[in-house]
Amino acid sequence: EIVLTQSPGTLSLSPGERATLSCRASQSVIRNYLAWYQQKPGQAPRLLIYGASSRATGIPDRFSGSGSGADFTLTISRLEPEDFAVYYCQQYGSSPPYTFGQGTKLEIK
Amino acid sequence: EVQLVQSGAEVIKPGESLKISCKGSGYTFTSYWIAWVRQMPGKGLEWMGLIYPADSDIRYSPSFQGQVTISADKSVSTAYLQWRSLKASDTAIYYCARPRTAGTTDAFDIWGQGTMVTVSS
Repeated sequence: EIVLTQSPGTLSLSPGERATLSCRASQSVIRNYLAWYQQKPGQAPRLLIYGASSRATGIPDRFSGSGSGADFTLTISRLEPEDFAVYYCQQYGSSPPYTFGQGTKLEIK
Repeated sequence: EVQLVQSGAEVIKPGESLKISCKGSGYTFTSYWIAWVRQMPGKGLEWMGLIYPADSDIRYSPSFQGQVTISADKSVSTAYLQWRSLKASDTAIYYCARPRTAGTTDAFDIWGQGTMVTVSS
């Protein structure tokens, strides 16, 4: 089972700043099948990025994903007030279980 | 519109059984896997397992194997998550989710609204 470790646990930034979130896998993620989700309180998760770097439908271009192998990054270029939420990475490349990271909380500084 | 609609919140006593549902609409239900994801209060997302409704192929996470049963009824486009004997530690929100691409275990772009299950005496 692949373990995903996200860092930092909490990130405190101001609107307009750049956010960089990390997701490290315990082994290489096959075909870079790594996704990022955003979850706001009381809502279901929303897919942001799939295949490590492809934006899902309707996702603003301030969100970008990068990385390969076992190290991945989600970058939000200029934070908007609505971006403050919890972010999860997930791998879906190997055999199940398709594990999630423990999450990074992005909070307003 | 493609959507997954889950059954309503449940309050259940320890030891009781429960079956919650997830109904797909707006797409060919049998062409897409359906997954279940747990979120305990204030915690992160946990992948439980998934089912391919066309042939009921099921894959469980080792953490949930034997603890829950996943099933589907393609005649009503509905997937299910079932417990035989609930414990207080099963208190959580349970989401169903569908992958982006038919026939694959892709990233999940369609999510149900979640079902809150509370186990309390």
